[in-house]
Order: sequence, then C-alpha cells, then structure tokens
Amino acid sequence: NAGVTQTPKFQVLKTGQSMTLQCAQDMNHEYMSWYRQDPGMGLRLIHYSVGAGITDQGEVPNGYNVSRSTTEDFPLRLLSAAPSQTSVYFCASSYGVEAFFGQGTRLTVV
Amino acid sequence: AQSVSQHNHHVILSEAASLELGCNYSYGGTVNLFWYVQYPGQHLQLLLKYFSGDPLVKGIKGFEAEFIKSKFSFNLRKPSVQWSDTAEYFCAVNNREAAGNKLTFGGGTRVLVKP
Repeated sequence: NAGVTQTPKFQVLKTGQSMTLQCAQDMNHEYMSWYRQDPGMGLRLIHYSVGAGITDQGEVPNGYNVSRSTTEDFPLRLLSAAPSQTSVYFCASSYGVEAFFGQGTRLTVV
Repeated sequence: AQSVSQHNHHVILSEAASLELGCNYSYGGTVNLFWYVQYPGQHLQLLLKYFSGDPLVKGIKGFEAEFIKSKFSFNLRKPSVQWSDTAEYFCAVNNREAAGNKLTFGGGTRVLVKP
C-alpha cells in the first residue's frame, strides 16, 4: 500500500500560471480533502470530496478548483497562481474519522 | 463554526523534561479530537485520538492526552521528552454530526527538545 501519494513534492510557479497538484490514494477511501499549511495558522481546508463525483468547498476555496472523477484521484487546480498561494499543500483521505496525509507539495509563487 | 486554539506557538525544553501542550476548541456539539505530529520535512502523522469512553487516551511514543469536556480542552502530555520529539504538534477537531470528515486544526506548536 502506498497510502496517499502527492506529486510534485516541490513546485515554483510564476504569477498567473496554472497548474494541477496530483493526489492519489490506494485505500479505497471515500473521503478526500486538500489542506494548505501556513506558519502559525495550522492546516486550513480548501476543498473536500465525500465520494466520486461529489466535491464541496472548505474554509479557503478561492483560487482553487477540484474534481473527483474516480475514488482514487483528487487533483487540485490552481487557475491563476498568486503569491498568496505560496504554501505547503497536503492531501488527505479518510475512512471513518481518521485521516491519512500525503507527503505534501511545497509551492512557491513568484 | 468550530475553532481550535493552541496556546503556545513555540516550546523549548531539555531532554527528560515533561511536556504539556494546551488545546481548546469551541463547539457545543459532539466532537472527535486528534493530535497530529509533523516531524521536520515530513507529513502529518496521527499521535492519538479521542472518540468516546475513557477521557485519558494513550497514543504512540509515550504521549497521552486528556479530554476535559467541561473545559473544552484536549491537552497533550509526555512525562519525559527525547530529542527525537522535536516536531510541530497540531490539535484537530472533527464535528461528529457533520457530513464528511472535515478537520479543523489549531495553529500548531513547534517543540524543540535540546539534547
């Protein structure tokens, strides 16, 4: 079992560029979510999905899109990157109430 | 909306000292409570969790936490820390009545254990 796999691990973008952060899990979990981690603010929920075809907004959704076409994959899209989106992004999947996190993607927007 | 606050942003202590990290949450309903740890350069790992039953829960690596419902608190403790406990610790809460598994995190506490 690989668990939750995120790619890439590091990324530098220019302001205005778009990109997709990938997240895949092999545990057949229904619930998946994306968080961003910023110093002193803990992790904040961006978007989440309770199953294939169902997504919803979290606490800080602006500037991000998600889709869930399969149970395994939950990509996060940055439509037009801004410096305020410089952060570490974590994908998580869960069955029941325990969440399992990926290794994170460190994104810098210049 | 629920919120989680962790009282200390940074804690520095020596090996063998005792550690206690405070966590308070604001939500009137039924919650599940978690402590996660993030070692330098790594992802979050679950230390311990509380769903119901005995309010004193024991986790991995000698950590324990006590749920005090009347104080809306879930403080983390370890009697004797090691250098390898240097990490950032996050308290998190999940509203049991809400759909899905949305976790609300505290701001984190960076713990530095000096050898």
